[in-house]
Amino acid sequence: EVQLVESGGGLVQPGGSLRLSCAASGFTFSSYEMNWVRQAPGKGLEWVSYISSSGSTIYYADSVKGRFTISRDNAKNSLYLQMNSLRAEDTAVYYCARDHPHTAMAFDYWGQGTLVTVSS
Amino acid sequence: QSALTQPASVSGSPGQSITISCTGTSSDVGSYNLVSWYQQHPGKAPKLMIYEGSKRPSGVSNRFSGSKSGNTASLTISGLQAEDEADYYCCSYAGSSTFEVVFGGGTKLTVL
Repeated sequence: EVQLVESGGGLVQPGGSLRLSCAASGFTFSSYEMNWVRQAPGKGLEWVSYISSSGSTIYYADSVKGRFTISRDNAKNSLYLQMNSLRAEDTAVYYCARDHPHTAMAFDYWGQGTLVTVSS
Repeated sequence: QSALTQPASVSGSPGQSITISCTGTSSDVGSYNLVSWYQQHPGKAPKLMIYEGSKRPSGVSNRFSGSKSGNTASLTISGLQAEDEADYYCCSYAGSSTFEVVFGGGTKLTVL
């Protein structure tokens, strides 16, 4: 069974940093492209970042470019999101999501999400 | 890139069919066959319902279907059931000069 479990969320002050993790199981993690998608409270979904299966190709939404860093450790079946210079508008539930194996940018499995709150 | 445009809400009675539209531009929906649709129940993670505009993942009911015409994609749910009540989001690849993925604002489906 495919499982994605996020962790690392919490309350952080504006300007602070946080590192999210996503533990993957039930599939060959190293063969799949992965993403982070976020959802502000009561709002819609927003794509945040993409990383290729090897980690060699990375993309970011303009809203987080230069502040967030996506990475992965295929030996540990884990995906990460380092978030720096956090702002109030980064407050959201952050989901890790797997890319569908047969197409691009369709997210076939999602974690349960981890809440990040940026507030003083 | 702006978000895709969806109606805020739609409703229907059990057994009826409804359609949710998702309007983009020639830079996203109109240019790529990479529209996906997600169902999200309150407090839950989104679930992939349609990808590449009209394909259903394994396990998704054939009551769900997708289509596209020009810059507008559509999700149709036939034979509405109570458990279909949820938020629905469309999504499209929007990369031209840069890699980008855009979501619609979401549509709340109410089963009357």
